[in-house]
Amino acid sequence: GAGVSQSPSNKVTEKGKDVELRCDPISGHTALYWYRQSLGQGLEFLIYFQGNSAPDKSGLPSDRFSAERTGGSVSTLTIQRTQQEDSAVYLCASSLVGLKGQGTEAFFGQGTRLTVV
Amino acid sequence: AQSVTQLGSHVSVSEGALVLLRCNYSSSVPPYLFWYVQYPNQGLQLLLKYTSAATLVKGINGFEAEFKKSETSFHLTKPSAHMSDAAEYFCAVSGAGGYNKLIFGAGTRLAVHP
Repeated sequence: GAGVSQSPSNKVTEKGKDVELRCDPISGHTALYWYRQSLGQGLEFLIYFQGNSAPDKSGLPSDRFSAERTGGSVSTLTIQRTQQEDSAVYLCASSLVGLKGQGTEAFFGQGTRLTVV
Repeated sequence: AQSVTQLGSHVSVSEGALVLLRCNYSSSVPPYLFWYVQYPNQGLQLLLKYTSAATLVKGINGFEAEFKKSETSFHLTKPSAHMSDAAEYFCAVSGAGGYNKLIFGAGTRLAVHP
């Protein structure tokens, strides 16, 4: 597609339910990132994919959070047993990786606004 | 390890005044540096980037930033603020090596008043 696409754009869920957030990166982008933006907070790094593997998942806040990427394309972020503190905007971004391994700018999706009630 | 510090969570300027948003970074490898802008209820948009070419980088909407290695800074400036510049601005760093994780600062909210 033309840009990074995230779905759903808004999600309201009850505390304790599981949710899945989807990210469709720009075609050909090998790097994919998930960030979380809470009210009044900056961008919190969650996980980074290079192809289908995740060399850095150090930002996942607990074992309730997991993510996968298949076919080097679509990624899903899953939050199990959601808590109210999980309410935030979840942003996905993708980027190319240069021939020397250097990164280029990340292109962001519009985000998924998750509200846990 | 890499990190970014943005001094000032809120900056307010008059329309037509100079905009200066501060960013200092820490990086164990030669950095790539970015400024992103986020308008209300929108995603992040790249303003400009430094990738070891010219130290003075010009971006969109009249913004520019200067990479100063000795000061580990990458401050964002614009000579004359417009009302439409009101937004949140994020500075970010990534490594120039094979590892490309983007680390963001906490953001600076810019207000422009008449």
